[in-house]
Amino acid sequence: GQNIDQPTEMTATEGAIVQINCTYQTSGFNGLFWYQQHAGEAPTFLSYNVLDGLEEKGRFSSFLSRSKGYSYLLLKELQMKDSASYLCAVRDDVSGGYNKLIFGAGTRLAVHP
Amino acid sequence: TAGITQAPTSQILAAGRSMTLRCTQDMRHNAMYWYRQDLGLGLRLIHYSNTAGTTGKGEVPDGYSVSRANTDDFPLTLASAVPSQTSVYFCASRAYDRGAGYTFGSGTRLTVV
Repeated sequence: GQNIDQPTEMTATEGAIVQINCTYQTSGFNGLFWYQQHAGEAPTFLSYNVLDGLEEKGRFSSFLSRSKGYSYLLLKELQMKDSASYLCAVRDDVSGGYNKLIFGAGTRLAVHP
Repeated sequence: TAGITQAPTSQILAAGRSMTLRCTQDMRHNAMYWYRQDLGLGLRLIHYSNTAGTTGKGEVPDGYSVSRANTDDFPLTLASAVPSQTSVYFCASRAYDRGAGYTFGSGTRLTVV
């Protein structure tokens, strides 16, 4: 079966650091993606991990542990504009649809002053 | 650059009627996807196409059909709409680069009454 879990909601303070966790159980694994989605808008690509370890991109970093089926997205120096939903997605290649992404339900992050 | 264009932006549709949601991309991406997004459930894959002339079923294909006559266009058709198809529909595309994220259209908000 396919299962991707992430917290439903989180709150944080402007200027702080927040870590959004994602655990997954999928039939196959060929990469993990994080997307940001502001209310009423389309998701936008943030990061991609296929090997274990940390990928850093400015204020955003993403970590992957394939043996634990675990990833996190780290957001530093939070800004009000970071208030959004963050979607964890796994690429599952077992069914022959190499390019298919399976999404978690998303974590709604609220940043307050 | 346009990226992915979806039309219409929103629609109210009577149950039992048919409708085609349009999706066009100008990035020459090979793979295209249709997702629906419902509160608490996240993005769920309806149908996908890895290249022009081929399509495949995703997690929730029932009641929907697609075609991929060329690289740019990937329309989604509801043959006989039902209220449970009320949702926000996102079209997405990606290049074949392994680490390439999906590019999403701005979405179509469909209400079936």
